Amino acid sequence: AQSVAQPEDQVNVAEGNPLTVKCTYSVSGNPYLFWYVQYPNRGLQFLLKYITGDNLVKGSYGFEAEFNKSQTSFHLKKPSALVSDSALYFCAVRDITGGGNKLTFGTGTQLKVEL
Amino acid sequence: ETGVTQTPRHLVMGMTNKKSLKCEQHLGHNAMYWYKQSAKKPLELMFVYSLEERVENNSVPSRFSPECPNSSHLFLHLHTLQPEDSALYLCASSSIPSGGAVTDTQYFGPGTRLTVL
Repeated sequence: AQSVAQPEDQVNVAEGNPLTVKCTYSVSGNPYLFWYVQYPNRGLQFLLKYITGDNLVKGSYGFEAEFNKSQTSFHLKKPSALVSDSALYFCAVRDITGGGNKLTFGTGTQLKVEL
Repeated sequence: ETGVTQTPRHLVMGMTNKKSLKCEQHLGHNAMYWYKQSAKKPLELMFVYSLEERVENNSVPSRFSPECPNSSHLFLHLHTLQPEDSALYLCASSSIPSGGAVTDTQYFGPGTRLTVL
């Protein structure tokens, strides 16, 4: 069975500093990884995904994520955080060798960016 | 978010009521999904429709009944719900290629905040 772990319930960072939101995964085959962001009272917004190829994936709003197969990680990063980045971030994984459309989500990490 | 819309945005209902949630996607997708989001829990996939056929039902109680009349619309009919069903219900859609679901990205609506009294 596939699973995703987001080890931090909350991450606090000062505006202008780099941020990292951690995600590790477990799948039986090749992973297909996503990051979504959720602002208060809103649905999930797609940020970026990894299918294959370059391990560094660039996405919306200046975010990027690094796929590390040996560490089974897909951490979300941004070089300089903004207060407006404060939101709930979800990592998700789908095992493409299994077929189907099921995404398995993590429990989410609340990012708080302060002045 | 205008790609996937959900109505109503908020719903309060008693345990004996019958109500329906509506989702509409304007992205030309061929698959639609219902998720349940409860506090401190991962998103729970409830139902998947692909080309208007239900292809997945993750052991959801029968008091939740989905309906997909066409590829743009998805409903979730609710009856005799329990207080623990209170949650944010999210609809999503994606475009699955004819060869199977390999690279599709799911796009979400804003959700319906449901409170069961």
